[in-house]
Amino acid sequence: GAGVSQSPSNKVTEKGKDVELRCDPISGHTALYWYRQRLGQGLEFLIYFQGNSAPDKSGLPSDRFSAERTGESVSTLTIQRTQQEDSAVYLCASSLRGQGSGYTFGSGTRLTVV
Amino acid sequence: GDSVTQMEGPVTLSEEAFLTINCTYTATGYPSLFWYVQYPGEGLQLLLKATKADDKGSNKGFEATYRKETTSFHLEKGSVQVSDSAVYFCALSWGAQKLVFGQGTRLTINP
Repeated sequence: GAGVSQSPSNKVTEKGKDVELRCDPISGHTALYWYRQRLGQGLEFLIYFQGNSAPDKSGLPSDRFSAERTGESVSTLTIQRTQQEDSAVYLCASSLRGQGSGYTFGSGTRLTVV
Repeated sequence: GDSVTQMEGPVTLSEEAFLTINCTYTATGYPSLFWYVQYPGEGLQLLLKATKADDKGSNKGFEATYRKETTSFHLEKGSVQVSDSAVYFCALSWGAQKLVFGQGTRLTINP
């Protein structure tokens, strides 16, 4: 596609439920990233994929968070047993492999845990 | 580890004023440097970038120069407009590795 597509754009879930967030990167972009942006704060790195492997998952906050990627395409971020502190905008970005490449961000999924 | 520090906001200016948002970084070597902008209600967009020392990135009247001597990448604009009101993020990366962001600076331009 022309840009990075994320779905759903908004998700309200009850505390304790599991949620899945989806990211479709730009076609041909081998690198894919997930970030979290809490209200009024900066962006926190969660996980980085190169192809379907994840060389850096150092930002995942707990074992309730997991992510996978199919080939060089779609990625899903799963949050199990959601907590209120998980409420945030989850941003996905993709980039071409290489030095100095800019990243293209999706519009994000706004997750609200009630 | 690598880190990015931005001047604290919020910053409020009048239209046509000169803008500087300071950004310094801590890293081993010379990463690529970026400024991203987040307009109200919109997603994060790349504003400009520089990949090596002394490079100047520019876009939409904004400029930033990669200064290795001072490990800085300050964002400047000569005459701001109301439409420039947004949150600005400075960031660094190594190749295809993750972006490391500063905390963001909220800019408000009054008519």
